[in-house]
Amino acid sequence: GESVGLHLPTLSVQEGDNSIINCAYSNSASDYFIWYKQESGKGPQFIIDIRSNMDKRQGQRVTVLLNKTVKHLSLQIAATQPGDSAVYFCAENMNGNKLVFGAGTILRVKS
Amino acid sequence: GAGVSQSPRYKVAKRGQDVALRCDPISGHVSLFWYQQALGQGPEFLTYFQNEAQLDKSGLPSDRFFAERPEGSVSTLKIQRTQQEDSAVYLCASSLSSSYNEQFFGPGTRLTVL
Repeated sequence: GESVGLHLPTLSVQEGDNSIINCAYSNSASDYFIWYKQESGKGPQFIIDIRSNMDKRQGQRVTVLLNKTVKHLSLQIAATQPGDSAVYFCAENMNGNKLVFGAGTILRVKS
Repeated sequence: GAGVSQSPRYKVAKRGQDVALRCDPISGHVSLFWYQQALGQGPEFLTYFQNEAQLDKSGLPSDRFFAERPEGSVSTLKIQRTQQEDSAVYLCASSLSSSYNEQFFGPGTRLTVL
């Protein structure tokens, strides 16, 4: 399939290690944030979300951290697996409807 | 269950042609969104429907772009007189309602304008 992110920053990790993907968002008024995973040739797939009244939320093998002071979001993936290889986007939900996506990060998992 | 589907998956058009891209949202989803994704970039918002009402079309790049959802279900994004800069993946997403609900994305339509 065709690569989604030809010019995006790349994070390479060893299988089994933890991954941390960072994102800076733009609008201090945004109150809902989502991480999406996008594999080549597919649409973005929801991973985890967080509301602005929280600073941490955990899912299965994933944790999202929100720092509103510096407008920073991070996604932590525990025990990274080859199937985690994809492009990861953070998104701000503006006014409860449209999403504003960040630039994206390519995650490559080495076996 | 069925997710969001889009057709065609790939479309090649000659510059100046009109194209129509179709989105079938998840049944019962009130909100429908169109995004444009250029190669190597994140998706960018185009327009948003709640049922049949187009509530936000602020992201449509020009008056050559037109979207409709006449019965509050299937949506069509039409691009008139296509230009090379229109080449991108067009993504459709739907959600149960607009506010703070997960948006489910379709696989996209890759448009190439020659």
